[in-house]
Amino acid sequence: AQSVAQPEDQVNVAEGNPLTVKCTYSVSGNPYLFWYVQYPNRGLQFLLKYITGDNLVKGSYGFEAEFNKSQTSFHLKKPSALVSDSALYFCAVRGAGNMLTFGGGTRLMVKP
Amino acid sequence: DSGVTQTPKHLITATGQRVTLRCSPRSGDLSVYWYQQSLDQGLQFLIQYYNGEERAKGNILERFSAQQFPDLHSELNLSSLELGDSALYFCASSPGGSNQPQHFGDGTRLSIL
Repeated sequence: AQSVAQPEDQVNVAEGNPLTVKCTYSVSGNPYLFWYVQYPNRGLQFLLKYITGDNLVKGSYGFEAEFNKSQTSFHLKKPSALVSDSALYFCAVRGAGNMLTFGGGTRLMVKP
Repeated sequence: DSGVTQTPKHLITATGQRVTLRCSPRSGDLSVYWYQQSLDQGLQFLIQYYNGEERAKGNILERFSAQQFPDLHSELNLSSLELGDSALYFCASSPGGSNQPQHFGDGTRLSIL
């Protein structure tokens, strides 16, 4: 069975600084990996995905993620954080039947 | 706007009751997925339908059932409700391919009193 770990419940960063939200995964076979963001009282919004190809994946709103097969990681990054990036971020891996297994989520707080 | 519509947004009911949550997928999407989000369990996959047929099942209780209709909308039925069923229930849809992202609705918040 697949699993996802997000080791940090919360990440604090100052506006304008780079941010990283960590994710490690476990899955048999090739990993299909996703990042989603959730704002209060809203559903999850798709940010980016890794299927195959370049290890650096670019997504929406200036976010990118780095896939590292040897470390089984898929960390979310952004060069310069905005206050409006403050939200709950979920990493997910696709398993059998296209179901998504999510990590526990990381709350990102960007302070002015 | 993801294009996935869920109704109702909020539902308040009592233990032992039955409710139906409705989902309309994005135009053209054949797959519908249901997820439950709660504080203690996090986000958990419940069930998937593809073009009217059940495709995958996750941690879905026997008291819960779902179906997808010919017009592709889906309903999640929850019966004999317990306090622990209080949660956010999300529907997501995708065209069906394994490398395509799922797009989520804004959820139905179910509160059991």
